[in-house]
Amino acid sequence: DSGVTQTPKHLITATGQRVTLRCSPRSGDLSVYWYQQSLDQGLQFLIQYYNGEERAKGNILERFSAQQFPDLHSELNLSSLELGDSALYFCASSGAGDEQFFGPGTRLTVL
Amino acid sequence: GDSVTQMEGPVTLSEEAFLTINCTYTATGYPSLFWYVQYPGEGLQLLLKATKADDKGSNKGFEATYRKETTSFHLEKGSVQVSDSAVYFCALKRVNRDDKIIFGKGTRLHILP
Repeated sequence: DSGVTQTPKHLITATGQRVTLRCSPRSGDLSVYWYQQSLDQGLQFLIQYYNGEERAKGNILERFSAQQFPDLHSELNLSSLELGDSALYFCASSGAGDEQFFGPGTRLTVL
Repeated sequence: GDSVTQMEGPVTLSEEAFLTINCTYTATGYPSLFWYVQYPGEGLQLLLKATKADDKGSNKGFEATYRKETTSFHLEKGSVQVSDSAVYFCALKRVNRDDKIIFGKGTRLHILP
């Protein structure tokens, strides 16, 4: 158990809909990262937040957004969903060291 | 830009065989290097890491040495077990820049009993 929690575990929705994925980092970790894992693209970094502020941006679509709240949990919002957005979405957190600790992921299926 | 290239899988071995999964990287400066493992249905777990040239990371019988001259970080294990079946990701983190970790595409490993 990494100490990072993600909800929900599975999400099935339809094209055009909007969903919110939630992540709680390990106790004390200020950084939260979001990744998308799909069969064709592999593991792609989406975005990082540090203590409530956006710190780095990767291959995140404009339809996607994220935020980190004062209690340090984070949410990833995916809107106008397309079939190609079906993937595993991972959250990770880190503290002072190099290592990122990954949550178990949310599997999103867009029908 | 910075990138990680690792051997494509799947790799299928018999139990107790020797394992090597090749990984090379392209990066400016001196990144930290990692191997992560993803067991079926789970998130990624850090397997080992190395933060400077000639460092050797090791864990659970796996080893990898940070080779700056060949920009490589190959994963090795002397005797694999069925329980090692998983997907292995080589990754780098750029130091003194953002905290982004750049992952390779992953190598699926199957160990046959």
